[in-house]
Amino acid sequence: QLQLQESGPGLVKPSETLSLTCTVSGNFISSGYYWGWIRQPPGRGLEWIGSIHHSGNTYNNPSLKSRVTIVTDTSRNQFSLNLGSVTAADTAVYHCARVRTVAGTKVGSWFDSWGQGTLITVSS
Amino acid sequence: SYELTQPPSVSVSPGQTAKITCSADALPKQYAYWYQQKPGQAPVLVMYQDTERPSGIPERFSGSSSGTTVTLTISGVQAEDEADYYCQLADSSAAFVVFGGGTKLTVL
Repeated sequence: QLQLQESGPGLVKPSETLSLTCTVSGNFISSGYYWGWIRQPPGRGLEWIGSIHHSGNTYNNPSLKSRVTIVTDTSRNQFSLNLGSVTAADTAVYHCARVRTVAGTKVGSWFDSWGQGTLITVSS
Repeated sequence: SYELTQPPSVSVSPGQTAKITCSADALPKQYAYWYQQKPGQAPVLVMYQDTERPSGIPERFSGSSSGTTVTLTISGVQAEDEADYYCQLADSSAAFVVFGGGTKLTVL
């Protein structure tokens, strides 16, 4: 069964770079799927950050694009998020997830397996 | 990019039917997805491709799509259904994802 687990520092200072890693169980990361990051500020809704394929192809939320870097490390079954120049507004629970896609008469992209999430607080 | 609009809250009594709507500027060829999130937990997919229920999701959950509005319907609401519900779509390339603002379902 697929499992995802986020890991990160917990606390990041303003203006610094937030770095998170998602470890994917088994050898699923090279199985052709995209893998994504989603965050949720305390008491607020979900926000998609970006997605990456094991080949390195990425899509990022335009509202965050210039600050976001997502990379994979298939040898470790991991993918990582770097978010630069953080502010208090980046305080959130960060989830990683597997992305599924479908294309036909209609198209779609969704998250079918999620990590439990890790709280990142931006504070000095 | 586009926005998805959900009502902030919906309240129903146990056994009644809850309808949670999600409106978009346009979604002619995109599937909609719905997630349930309980406090302190990760979201769980409860509906995919407009009307399909994942394995393990009760039959009382159903989905529909009409025009620019998609709807999640919970028939015979139970206390355990109290949660936040989020709709989600991707753009026409299926690459860029958008979530609705979320709806808090309260079971009275």
